[in-house]
Amino acid sequence: DVQLTQSPSSLAASIGDTVTITCRASQNIKNYLSWYQQRPGRAPKLLIYSASALHSGVPSRFSGSGSETDFTLTISSLQPEDFASYFCVQSYDTPPYSFGQGTKVEIK
Amino acid sequence: EVQLVESGGGEVQPGESLRLSCVGSGFTFNSYWMHWVRQVPGKGLVWVSRIFRDEKGASYADSVKGRFTVSRDNAKNALYLQMNNLRVEDTAIYYCVREDYSNSGFWFDPWGQGIAVTVSP
Repeated sequence: DVQLTQSPSSLAASIGDTVTITCRASQNIKNYLSWYQQRPGRAPKLLIYSASALHSGVPSRFSGSGSETDFTLTISSLQPEDFASYFCVQSYDTPPYSFGQGTKVEIK
Repeated sequence: EVQLVESGGGEVQPGESLRLSCVGSGFTFNSYWMHWVRQVPGKGLVWVSRIFRDEKGASYADSVKGRFTVSRDNAKNALYLQMNNLRVEDTAIYYCVREDYSNSGFWFDPWGQGIAVTVSP
């Protein structure tokens, strides 16, 4: 099974900062990785698919990069509504579908 | 609008059964694989089960294999999760999720609002 290691587990940042979250796969998953945002008490929402494709309606300050085993989600110019949890998912070697442990972005 | 709405959650005792339902709208339901994903509040997400488009071909996480059964009724745009012999550790929010796809990959979108399942003595 593919293991995803997401880091950091939490971070504190200020409005306007740029934050970077990483997701490392235990084996080559090509670009079959997606990123999601989850606000407290809400369902997850898709941000990025196929490692770097921006989902429709998602602000352009969100971007994804990487391939094979190393992936990054970058949020540029952090906005108040971006304080949430983020997680990655791999869909290359399934089942099972693997999730990262999540990253909570908090206000500094 | 593409939408998934779950129902059927609740509180049961260990060993009891529960059936979750999910109805999709705004898309051609029988064109997509569908999933159940669960989350213990405050914890990470865990994939539970997947079913292919044609109501056949299901897969399960090891933790639920033999106890949970996923099914779908494409005529009703509905997805189900029959959960038998429930355990305390099955307590979670359960999400119904569509697997979207292109020639460059697969991803989960959208997610239902989630339905709470509590298993308590």
